[in-house]
Amino acid sequence: DVKVTQSSRYLVKRTGEKVFLECVQDMDHENMFWYRQDPGLGLRLIYFSYDVKMKEKGDIPEGYSVSREKKERFSLILESASTNQTSMYLCASSFQGLETQYFGPGTRLLVL
Amino acid sequence: AQSVAQPEDQVNVAEGNPLTVKCTYSVSGNPYLFWYVQYPNRGLQFLLKYITGDNLVKGSYGFEAEFNKSQTSFHLKKPSALVSDSALYFCAVTGDTGFQKLVFGTGTRLLVSP
Repeated sequence: DVKVTQSSRYLVKRTGEKVFLECVQDMDHENMFWYRQDPGLGLRLIYFSYDVKMKEKGDIPEGYSVSREKKERFSLILESASTNQTSMYLCASSFQGLETQYFGPGTRLLVL
Repeated sequence: AQSVAQPEDQVNVAEGNPLTVKCTYSVSGNPYLFWYVQYPNRGLQFLLKYITGDNLVKGSYGFEAEFNKSQTSFHLKKPSALVSDSALYFCAVTGDTGFQKLVFGTGTRLLVSP
């Protein structure tokens, strides 16, 4: 079974803090994705990566950056957290572009 | 650009009755369609997908979905609902023309009453 893990299930941060969300997959997948999920808006793509050290902006990249130094790990960085970044963050991975995406358990982030 | 519509925010059904969760889509090229389920405070779990072939796709936990090209729909169905099916369901679509992102609907909450 594909396993995607995220470093934290719940996080509470202060406005202005730098926040790191880590995601690791164990299936040697090429592609990795970061989404945020908000009620009534579904999932929105923040960033994705199709190879090590490669990254592409999704639909809502503002206020976020990413890092992929190793194939199995994809990090989402909030350079200066703001209250409107309070959300559920979901990481996913897939073998190739049109293949099924497999999701981690999510990180619920609260920015005060 | 591709898009997905899930017209119902919530679907209520009694245990043992059949259920349908609706999804319509718009995409360039041939569609790749997915259904995911999310239980409270969990990530999304893959249920089933349509790429090509038989219009009726069978997936996990007794769920199935019917692809209808003329109506651009991909409704999720189950013949007999269980209380444990209560969850949030997401439809998603991408297309095979160029590199297209996976686009998710806004989700439908299924509530199965005993």
